[in-house]
Amino acid sequence: AQKITQTQPGMFVQEKEAVTLDCTYDTSDPSYGLFWYKQPSSGEMIFLIYQGSYDQQNATEGRYSLNFQKARKSANLVISASQLGDSAMYFCAMREVSRDMRFGAGTRLTVKP
Amino acid sequence: EPEVTQTPSHQVTQMGQEVILRCVPISNHLYFYWYRQILGQKVEFLVSFYNNEISEKSEIFDDQFSVERPDGSNFTLKIRSTKLEDSAMYFCASRVTSQALDTQYFGPGTRLTVL
Repeated sequence: AQKITQTQPGMFVQEKEAVTLDCTYDTSDPSYGLFWYKQPSSGEMIFLIYQGSYDQQNATEGRYSLNFQKARKSANLVISASQLGDSAMYFCAMREVSRDMRFGAGTRLTVKP
Repeated sequence: EPEVTQTPSHQVTQMGQEVILRCVPISNHLYFYWYRQILGQKVEFLVSFYNNEISEKSEIFDDQFSVERPDGSNFTLKIRSTKLEDSAMYFCASRVTSQALDTQYFGPGTRLTVL
C-alpha cells in the first residue's frame, strides 16, 4: 500500500537560514514520482518541485531542492535562505504509475524574523 | 501562464442540499482530479477522470458524489445531498499527458461549508 509520512507537524526556522522538511514513502513500484506542494494560509496548493524515481540527480528549483535518498525511501525538501513568505503548510506527495497522487499529513513551517 | 480555475471560491449550503463545484482545467490537459481537504487535515484523493469516464475513485467518493465534463472546458463535482462532514476545501487538479509522473496543477479550491 502506498504511504507517505511527514513526521514533523511543525517546524520553525530563522529568516535566511536553511530548513529541511522530512518525507518518507513506501512503495513497491519501481516507477514513481515525488512532489512537494506549498499551501499558504490563503489555501491554494502551489507546486514546488518534482523528483522521478529514475532521476539520477536531486531536483532543484531556485531555493528549493529535494534530497532524494532512494534506498532509504526519503525525499526531504530543503529550503535555503528562508524568507518570511515561506511560512506555510508543506505537503509531500507521491504518485505511482498505476495510482493517483497521495499526500502526507503536511508540515507547518514558520519562518521567524 | 495557464492555470486551473474553480468557482465558486466559497459555497455555503444547508445540509441535504445539492451542490455543484465547478472547475476549468488547463486547456490542453487530459486528466482531471478532485481532492478534498478537511480543515487542518491532509489532502485526500476523491476521483480521477480521463476520456470522459472515472478512472479511479477513493472510498470517500460514494454514491452521493458524481463528476461530469459537460462540455469541452468544465469539470464538475456534484454532491447530491450534503452532510455536515462534507464541509471542506475541494481542489480540482489536472495534468497534461499519459505520463503518469507528470505534475498535477491544482486550482485555488472551493471552500464548502455545510450548515
